[in-house]
Amino acid sequence: GQQLNQSPQSMFIQEGEDVSMNCTSSSIFNTWLWYKQDPGEGPVLLIALYKAGELTSNGRLTAQFGITRKDSFLNISASIPSDVGIYFCAGPAPSGSARQLTFGSGTQLTVLP
Amino acid sequence: EPEVTQTPSHQVTQMGQEVILRCVPISNHLYFYWYRQILGQKVEFLVSFYNNEISEKSEIFDDQFSVERPDGSNFTLKIRSTKLEDSAMYFCATTTGAETQYFGPGTRLLVL
Repeated sequence: GQQLNQSPQSMFIQEGEDVSMNCTSSSIFNTWLWYKQDPGEGPVLLIALYKAGELTSNGRLTAQFGITRKDSFLNISASIPSDVGIYFCAGPAPSGSARQLTFGSGTQLTVLP
Repeated sequence: EPEVTQTPSHQVTQMGQEVILRCVPISNHLYFYWYRQILGQKVEFLVSFYNNEISEKSEIFDDQFSVERPDGSNFTLKIRSTKLEDSAMYFCATTTGAETQYFGPGTRLLVL
């Protein structure tokens, strides 16, 4: 099956710092999604990317859809304590009609005051 | 803003018992999904459901699992005879058919 490789696995940063994480795949994705998961909660959609090269922002978050369609990155600027959580990249499987999502293994972000 | 809801939030059961997890999708959504997340691991696809039938299922979704939408609103996942390894968070997700799926808060299932 398809795999999404996310890095880094975890990050410890100071409040106010910028953060960057990325996701790569061995196969092409036509859509990249970035979700955030707080402890004990469901994933919450942050940003959706639909076109290669697309750069999309949502407040302090910026994500890009790689030109090769095999990678994506997420940046968080000026981090704050509520940014703590696990960030997942995800994409719909190219095969199949039901578009189930494949998730990366996640990046655990800790923001230190 | 409309959201996916799930009940119960927590379920503790004995091994071998049946459990039913419930989801109320966002009202105009047509595609429904169940995912599972074992503690500390990534979210894994179980099954997709459209037009009152299963569209696709993963190898995790074996004969012990079933889904239905009995009354046109609730979307349920039934585990017939739970095993210890079924302990996980179970998430319902829904979409209009676009790529973006919206997830519920999850049901934490603990099998003893």
